[in-house]
Amino acid sequence: GAVVSQHPSWVICKSGTSVKIECRSLDFQATTMFWYRQFPKQSLMLMATSNEGSKATYEQGVEKDKFLINHASLTLSTLTVTSAHPEDSSFYICSARDQASGRVYNEQFFGPGTRLTVL
Amino acid sequence: RKEVEQDPGPFNVPEGATVAFNCTYSNSASQSFFWYRQDCRKEPKLLMSVYSSGNEDGRFTAQLNRASQYISLLIRDSKLSDSATYLCVVTYNDMRFGAGTRLTVKP
Repeated sequence: GAVVSQHPSWVICKSGTSVKIECRSLDFQATTMFWYRQFPKQSLMLMATSNEGSKATYEQGVEKDKFLINHASLTLSTLTVTSAHPEDSSFYICSARDQASGRVYNEQFFGPGTRLTVL
Repeated sequence: RKEVEQDPGPFNVPEGATVAFNCTYSNSASQSFFWYRQDCRKEPKLLMSVYSSGNEDGRFTAQLNRASQYISLLIRDSKLSDSATYLCVVTYNDMRFGAGTRLTVKP
């Protein structure tokens, strides 16, 4: 199946610093990638949809100036959490849509996630 | 009302039991439906798609009722390895996840 990687897998940082998370589709091209956030015992919440070569579309309530998304190539999207605070501590998961796949309509493949802890 | 609602559980069942999960969704224009499995601190993995005609994959059976906006997942002959959180996923332009139903299968 299609593989999506994320880096780093976990990060601990001080309050006020910025953290960049990378999401890569390893064996397919993804014109669309998605960024989710999951707090403990809660569902995945879509933060934004990242389209290659254009600006990301953010969900209501997600600050675009705080969560910077760049999708500069068909295989890489980055999420930068700027001036991170303890309340930003969460599990961040990206996914990519393999639009060439005919197996499952609209199937997305998920990265392994990045656990962010802000002290 | 949440877009996708699931009974959070937990469901604690013995090995070999049959267990059913339910899910309802609010957007009648939803296009695709899936069940994902998520292990603790891991990413979700596709378990199966859900079709109006129903589909079966080994011990797993999924059903969709568009009129009632209802999706179900049935697991027969539960195994210890089935212990996980099961996420109901509905797509329109993007994926919307239910909060998940936690299943623990005990020896």
